[in-house]
Amino acid sequence: AQTVTQSQPEMSVQEAETVTLSCTYDTSESDYYLFWYKQPPSRQMILVIRQEAYKQQNATENRFSVNFQKAAKSFSLKISDSQLGDAAMYFCAYRSAVAGNQFYFGTGTSLTVIP
Amino acid sequence: DAGVIQSPRHEVTEMGQEVTLRCKPISGHNSLFWYRQTMMRGLELLIYFNNNVPIDDSGMPEDRFSAKMPNASFSTLKIQPSEPRDSAVYFCASSPGPHGYTFGSGTRLTVV
Repeated sequence: AQTVTQSQPEMSVQEAETVTLSCTYDTSESDYYLFWYKQPPSRQMILVIRQEAYKQQNATENRFSVNFQKAAKSFSLKISDSQLGDAAMYFCAYRSAVAGNQFYFGTGTSLTVIP
Repeated sequence: DAGVIQSPRHEVTEMGQEVTLRCKPISGHNSLFWYRQTMMRGLELLIYFNNNVPIDDSGMPEDRFSAKMPNASFSTLKIQPSEPRDSAVYFCASSPGPHGYTFGSGTRLTVV
């Protein structure tokens, strides 16, 4: 099974500053999808951003962008101009494009935004 | 689009009782997933369905857990008998394909 590793259990950032959350994964596949999900205290899981492995261009969604390094199997999330509403647990996830539909989730990073 | 709908949102039950969690996926989504989230183990996939057919139930912890999907618009996860260690948040998610899941709001189960 694929494994997803988030090595930062907790991170903090000053409001309006930039923070980067790390994620690495292990796979022998060449075609897959990577995701970042946000889970605020309401516990709702919200899709933040998605990256297809065959695309070289890094995905961006407003203040959220990724640094996808396929060879290094790294998929970090950068949050620019951090806002108080960004405070949440962030989960990195992997999904194969060819074998099954299930996601493999990391253990999460708890992000605190300091006013 | 009402999203993925789970019920109940909270459930408190006594050990030994039967618990049934319900999920209505997004119309048109052909895959449905049940996850369990705990502090110790994070997000664990319990079972998933494609076109109402169970594909992988290897994550179901033991025979006390069962899941059904009688039609494309409804699924249940049943625990019988429940135990305190089953206390967790149970998420249902649906997906139209290889792109991102849409999660429900989860059911927080407490077994006392």
